[in-house]
Amino acid sequence: GAGVSQSPSNKVTEKGKDVELRCDPISGHTALYWYRQRLGQGLEFLIYFQGNSAPDKSGLPSDRFSAERTGESVSTLTIQRTQQEDSAVYLCASSLTSGFTGELFFGEGSRLTVL
Amino acid sequence: EDKVVQSPLSLVVHEGDTVTLNCSYEVTNFRSLLWYKQEKKAPTFLFMLTSSGIEKKSGRLSSILDKKELFSILNITATQTGDSAVYLCAVVPRNNYGQNFVFGPGTRLSALP
Repeated sequence: GAGVSQSPSNKVTEKGKDVELRCDPISGHTALYWYRQRLGQGLEFLIYFQGNSAPDKSGLPSDRFSAERTGESVSTLTIQRTQQEDSAVYLCASSLTSGFTGELFFGEGSRLTVL
Repeated sequence: EDKVVQSPLSLVVHEGDTVTLNCSYEVTNFRSLLWYKQEKKAPTFLFMLTSSGIEKKSGRLSSILDKKELFSILNITATQTGDSAVYLCAVVPRNNYGQNFVFGPGTRLSALP
Protein backbone atom coordinates (compact mmCIF):
# COMPACT_ATOMS: atom_id res chain seq x y z
CA GLY A 1 0.00 0.00 0.00
CA ALA A 2 0.92 3.63 -0.26
CA GLY A 3 1.06 4.38 3.43
CA VAL A 4 1.53 2.77 6.83
CA SER A 5 -1.35 0.44 7.53
CA GLN A 6 -2.50 -0.54 11.01
CA SER A 7 -5.09 -3.00 12.19
CA PRO A 8 -7.45 -3.19 13.88
CA SER A 9 -8.46 0.45 13.81
CA ASN A 10 -10.49 -0.07 16.96
CA LYS A 11 -10.29 -2.76 19.57
CA VAL A 12 -12.41 -3.12 22.69
CA THR A 13 -11.31 -5.78 25.12
CA GLU A 14 -11.87 -6.87 28.68
CA LYS A 15 -9.30 -6.38 31.37
CA GLY A 16 -6.96 -9.34 31.55
CA LYS A 17 -7.24 -10.34 27.89
CA ASP A 18 -4.31 -10.29 25.47
CA VAL A 19 -4.38 -8.12 22.34
CA GLU A 20 -2.32 -7.99 19.18
CA LEU A 21 -1.93 -4.89 17.08
CA ARG A 22 -0.49 -5.04 13.61
CA CYS A 23 1.54 -2.58 11.56
CA ASP A 24 2.39 -2.78 7.88
CA PRO A 25 5.09 -0.18 7.13
CA ILE A 26 5.69 1.50 3.81
CA SER A 27 7.54 -0.88 1.49
CA GLY A 28 11.27 -0.28 1.64
CA HIS A 29 11.20 1.49 4.99
CA THR A 30 13.75 -0.14 7.25
CA ALA A 31 12.93 1.76 10.44
CA LEU A 32 9.69 1.10 12.32
CA TYR A 33 8.43 2.72 15.52
CA TRP A 34 5.58 2.11 17.92
CA TYR A 35 4.13 4.97 19.98
CA ARG A 36 1.32 5.20 22.48
CA GLN A 37 -0.92 8.26 22.73
CA ARG A 38 -3.21 8.57 25.70
CA LEU A 39 -6.17 10.91 25.42
CA GLY A 40 -5.02 14.52 25.31
CA GLN A 41 -1.38 13.62 25.65
CA GLY A 42 1.68 13.52 23.45
CA LEU A 43 3.24 10.51 21.83
CA GLU A 44 5.05 8.11 24.12
CA PHE A 45 7.84 6.08 22.51
CA LEU A 46 7.50 2.32 22.97
CA ILE A 47 9.89 0.46 20.68
CA TYR A 48 12.04 0.92 17.59
CA PHE A 49 13.16 -1.56 14.93
CA GLN A 50 15.92 -0.89 12.42
CA GLY A 51 16.47 -3.58 9.82
CA ASN A 52 17.83 -6.73 11.38
CA SER A 53 19.42 -4.97 14.34
CA ALA A 54 18.32 -5.67 17.87
CA PRO A 55 15.28 -3.49 18.63
CA ASP A 56 15.37 -0.63 21.11
CA LYS A 57 12.79 -1.69 23.69
CA SER A 58 13.60 1.05 26.17
CA GLY A 59 10.13 2.60 25.97
CA LEU A 60 8.08 -0.48 26.75
CA PRO A 61 6.23 0.32 29.99
CA SER A 62 6.16 -3.21 31.41
CA ASP A 63 6.92 -6.82 30.57
CA ARG A 64 3.29 -7.21 29.49
CA PHE A 65 4.27 -5.36 26.33
CA SER A 66 6.25 -6.99 23.55
CA ALA A 67 6.74 -6.45 19.85
CA GLU A 68 8.14 -8.38 16.95
CA ARG A 69 9.12 -7.57 13.43
CA THR A 70 10.12 -10.00 10.74
CA GLY A 71 12.90 -8.50 8.68
CA GLU A 72 11.75 -5.20 7.23
CA SER A 73 8.09 -6.06 7.05
CA VAL A 74 5.10 -6.36 9.33
CA SER A 75 5.35 -5.70 13.05
CA THR A 76 3.06 -6.92 15.80
CA LEU A 77 2.68 -5.24 19.19
CA THR A 78 1.32 -7.59 21.84
CA ILE A 79 -0.13 -6.52 25.15
CA GLN A 80 -0.73 -9.33 27.60
CA ARG A 81 -3.18 -9.24 30.49
CA THR A 82 -4.46 -5.82 29.48
CA GLN A 83 -5.19 -3.20 32.11
CA GLN A 84 -7.45 -0.18 31.90
CA GLU A 85 -4.44 2.13 31.81
CA ASP A 86 -3.43 0.48 28.53
CA SER A 87 -6.36 2.24 26.86
CA ALA A 88 -4.85 4.54 24.25
CA VAL A 89 -4.22 4.96 20.55
CA TYR A 90 -1.22 2.93 19.44
CA LEU A 91 0.52 4.57 16.52
CA CYS A 92 3.01 2.93 14.23
CA ALA A 93 5.43 4.89 12.07
CA SER A 94 8.09 4.01 9.55
CA SER A 95 10.94 5.82 7.85
CA LEU A 96 13.38 5.04 5.10
CA THR A 97 16.40 4.50 7.28
CA SER A 98 17.63 5.40 10.70
CA GLY A 99 19.62 8.10 8.95
CA PHE A 100 17.80 11.03 10.27
CA THR A 101 15.47 13.18 8.12
CA GLY A 102 12.84 13.88 10.75
CA GLU A 103 10.08 12.53 8.53
CA LEU A 104 8.25 9.66 10.11
CA PHE A 105 5.24 8.35 8.21
CA PHE A 106 2.50 7.47 10.66
CA GLY A 107 -0.37 5.04 10.37
CA GLU A 108 -3.90 5.91 11.42
CA GLY A 109 -3.40 4.09 14.71
CA SER A 110 -5.21 1.39 16.63
CA ARG A 111 -7.54 2.66 19.32
CA LEU A 112 -7.53 0.24 22.24
CA THR A 113 -10.21 0.40 24.91
CA VAL A 114 -9.85 -1.87 27.92
CA LEU A 115 -13.06 -2.25 29.90
CA GLU B 1 14.89 13.64 31.85
CA ASP B 2 14.19 14.98 28.36
CA LYS B 3 11.04 17.06 28.28
CA VAL B 4 8.93 19.11 25.87
CA VAL B 5 6.36 21.69 26.95
CA GLN B 6 3.89 23.28 24.57
CA SER B 7 1.68 26.30 25.04
CA PRO B 8 -1.08 27.02 24.84
CA LEU B 9 -2.59 23.56 25.15
CA SER B 10 -5.63 24.72 23.23
CA LEU B 11 -6.51 27.76 21.19
CA VAL B 12 -9.61 28.99 19.40
CA VAL B 13 -9.22 31.53 16.61
CA HIS B 14 -11.18 32.82 13.64
CA GLU B 15 -10.30 32.47 10.02
CA GLY B 16 -7.80 35.09 8.97
CA ASP B 17 -6.13 35.33 12.37
CA THR B 18 -2.41 34.82 12.88
CA VAL B 19 -1.44 32.32 15.55
CA THR B 20 1.79 31.52 17.33
CA LEU B 21 2.34 28.16 18.97
CA ASN B 22 5.13 27.71 21.47
CA CYS B 23 7.41 24.81 22.24
CA SER B 24 10.08 24.80 24.93
CA TYR B 25 12.31 21.88 25.71
CA GLU B 26 14.93 20.37 27.92
CA VAL B 27 17.05 17.72 26.30
CA THR B 28 20.40 16.16 26.89
CA ASN B 29 22.51 16.77 23.84
CA PHE B 30 20.05 18.31 21.39
CA ARG B 31 19.95 17.06 17.83
CA SER B 32 16.84 18.57 16.25
CA LEU B 33 13.29 19.80 16.83
CA LEU B 34 10.31 18.72 14.79
CA TRP B 35 6.78 19.97 14.24
CA TYR B 36 3.95 17.66 13.24
CA LYS B 37 0.28 18.30 12.46
CA GLN B 38 -2.23 15.74 13.74
CA GLU B 39 -5.70 16.19 12.27
CA LYS B 40 -7.33 12.89 13.12
CA LYS B 41 -4.99 10.12 14.07
CA ALA B 42 -1.87 10.14 11.89
CA PRO B 43 0.56 13.01 12.54
CA THR B 44 2.07 14.49 9.41
CA PHE B 45 5.49 16.07 9.24
CA LEU B 46 5.76 19.86 8.97
CA PHE B 47 9.29 21.01 9.78
CA MET B 48 12.62 19.89 11.12
CA LEU B 49 14.82 22.54 12.76
CA THR B 50 18.42 22.07 13.69
CA SER B 51 19.95 25.54 13.60
CA SER B 52 19.05 28.65 15.53
CA GLY B 53 17.62 31.67 13.78
CA ILE B 54 16.92 30.08 10.41
CA GLU B 55 13.24 30.27 9.55
CA LYS B 56 11.62 27.33 7.83
CA LYS B 57 8.61 28.26 5.74
CA SER B 58 5.90 26.35 3.95
CA GLY B 59 3.01 28.37 2.60
CA ARG B 60 1.28 30.09 5.50
CA LEU B 61 3.27 28.13 8.09
CA SER B 62 6.68 29.06 9.37
CA SER B 63 8.87 28.02 12.27
CA ILE B 64 12.04 29.11 13.94
CA LEU B 65 14.32 27.70 16.62
CA ASP B 66 16.26 29.37 19.41
CA LYS B 67 18.81 26.90 20.77
CA LYS B 68 20.11 29.31 23.36
CA GLU B 69 16.71 29.88 24.97
CA LEU B 70 15.58 26.31 24.18
CA PHE B 71 12.37 27.05 22.36
CA SER B 72 10.70 27.09 18.99
CA ILE B 73 7.61 28.80 17.62
CA LEU B 74 5.26 27.76 14.88
CA ASN B 75 3.43 30.59 13.15
CA ILE B 76 0.32 30.26 11.03
CA THR B 77 -0.83 33.32 9.12
CA ALA B 78 -4.29 33.89 7.60
CA THR B 79 -5.63 30.86 9.48
CA GLN B 80 -8.14 28.65 7.67
CA THR B 81 -10.60 26.12 9.08
CA GLY B 82 -8.43 23.40 7.57
CA ASP B 83 -5.66 24.38 9.96
CA SER B 84 -7.72 22.98 12.83
CA ALA B 85 -5.60 20.18 14.29
CA VAL B 86 -3.29 19.26 17.13
CA TYR B 87 0.22 20.57 16.53
CA LEU B 88 2.91 18.40 18.06
CA CYS B 89 6.42 19.47 18.86
CA ALA B 90 9.15 16.88 19.37
CA VAL B 91 12.86 16.97 20.12
CA VAL B 92 15.40 14.38 19.18
CA PRO B 93 18.33 13.83 21.52
CA ARG B 94 21.65 13.03 19.99
CA ASN B 95 22.33 9.53 21.17
CA ASN B 96 23.60 6.28 19.79
CA TYR B 97 20.32 5.50 18.11
CA GLY B 98 18.75 8.85 17.26
CA GLN B 99 15.31 7.37 17.13
CA ASN B 100 13.86 8.41 20.43
CA PHE B 101 11.66 11.36 19.60
CA VAL B 102 10.37 13.13 22.74
CA PHE B 103 6.94 14.58 21.98
CA GLY B 104 5.13 17.38 23.76
CA PRO B 105 1.42 17.19 24.62
CA GLY B 106 0.43 19.20 21.59
CA THR B 107 -1.54 22.39 21.02
CA ARG B 108 -5.12 21.88 19.87
CA LEU B 109 -6.00 24.63 17.40
CA SER B 110 -9.60 25.27 16.45
CA ALA B 111 -10.04 27.71 13.57
CA LEU B 112 -13.63 28.88 13.32
CA PRO B 113 -15.20 30.32 10.17
